[in-house]
Amino acid sequence: KQEVTQIPAALSVPEGENLVLNCSFTDSAIYNLQWFRQDPGKGLTSLLLIQSSQREQTSGRLNASLDKSSGRSTLYIAASQPGDSATYLCAPDAGGTSYGKLTFGQGTILTVHP
Amino acid sequence: EPEVTQTPSHQVTQMGQEVILRCVPISNHLYFYWYRQILGQKVEFLVSFYNNEISEKSEIFDDQFSVERPDGSNFTLKIRSTKLEDSAMYFCATRQATYNEQFFGPGTRLTVL
Repeated sequence: KQEVTQIPAALSVPEGENLVLNCSFTDSAIYNLQWFRQDPGKGLTSLLLIQSSQREQTSGRLNASLDKSSGRSTLYIAASQPGDSATYLCAPDAGGTSYGKLTFGQGTILTVHP
Repeated sequence: EPEVTQTPSHQVTQMGQEVILRCVPISNHLYFYWYRQILGQKVEFLVSFYNNEISEKSEIFDDQFSVERPDGSNFTLKIRSTKLEDSAMYFCATRQATYNEQFFGPGTRLTVL
């Protein structure tokens, strides 16, 4: 059974800092991995999708890396802004007969102060 | 930009009642999912649906749950006899193809009294 852990659980930083959010998963046989943000009481917004064959994926100030063999993914946020404040979730996709089944971590709660 | 929509946004029901949660997927998306998130807990997979049949379901998705696409556009989740522990936010998600990302709807908050 896939288990996903995200570190740190919470992060509070001043505006402008570069951030690193970590995600680890126990079953490395994944098809891809998605990063989401969730604002309080809201749905999940997809940020990035990394295919299992990729090492990195970039979107604006966000960069996600994937080391499938070691079961790790990292989300880098450059020049953080108060609007980045949210919970960040990673979710590997099982693939195979369980394709499409995302397993979520508890998330990293990010607060960026002006 | 196309988006997944869900109705209602909030549903309050009495224990033992049936509820139907509705989702309108992004048109041309072929894969559909339901997830739930109990307050303060992780988002959990419930069921995946493709080509008018269930592809996979979790242990949470017992006989009290069912899904269908009644009219080829809406995607519904039915809970036949709600329990207190069914109180959660329910998210619908859809995907265009096997290599694409999943897009989530805003969720339906279900409160069982």
